[in-house]
Amino acid sequence: DAGVIQSPRHEVTEMGQEVTLRCKPISGHDYLFWYRQTMMRGLELLIYFNNNVPIDDSGMPEDRFSAKMPNASFSTLKIQPSEPRDSAVYFCASSLDPGQTETQYFGPGTRLLVL
Amino acid sequence: QKEVEQNSGPLSVPEGAIASLNCTYSDRGSQSFFWYRQYSGKSPELIMSIYSNGDKEDGRFTAQLNKASQYVSLLIRDSQPSDSATYLCAVNILGSNYKLTFGKGTLLTVNP
Repeated sequence: DAGVIQSPRHEVTEMGQEVTLRCKPISGHDYLFWYRQTMMRGLELLIYFNNNVPIDDSGMPEDRFSAKMPNASFSTLKIQPSEPRDSAVYFCASSLDPGQTETQYFGPGTRLLVL
Repeated sequence: QKEVEQNSGPLSVPEGAIASLNCTYSDRGSQSFFWYRQYSGKSPELIMSIYSNGDKEDGRFTAQLNKASQYVSLLIRDSQPSDSATYLCAVNILGSNYKLTFGKGTLLTVNP
């Protein structure tokens, strides 16, 4: 299995530009999570999906952030317009069943720098 | 605000020693506890999970849970330089819809 795939791995953009991050979960996993990691705030959950449906987006920082999952094998996280404070590592993770006994598998992350 | 607290470190131990990593959590409804290891520039990977009070051993790793004290720890025996990484404690809180709350992590350095 290829694991969780994320693209791009690195993104440098200028303030005000639109940024789209992409994720392909592990085949068969029904849950998909988007996290953001910074030195100051650590690893934070932004949003998660179950069977392509957004379940909890309470971690999405503001309206500039949006996420979609059009099918079971693809999700996007979009930032429009981007700001320097959005600079972080964004991880996608997937899980078969994140209940008590199932772990989440993380992708390699996208390192975003907004100038 | 449900919180997970860890000492940021760095925690430095000599090769072969026991490394002890600690985590406290604020919500008594927490039911699942995980330790993730994150090497610099890499993604988190699960190394231990624990769900009931007591100890759980897996190779050189032992997770300890004390729900009354709201405390979970990770012991690494015979520490190796390859164990040098940041260790993240994560908690699944009852009623949180499968959300994991992570601590900010403890940086462990194992010196040869």
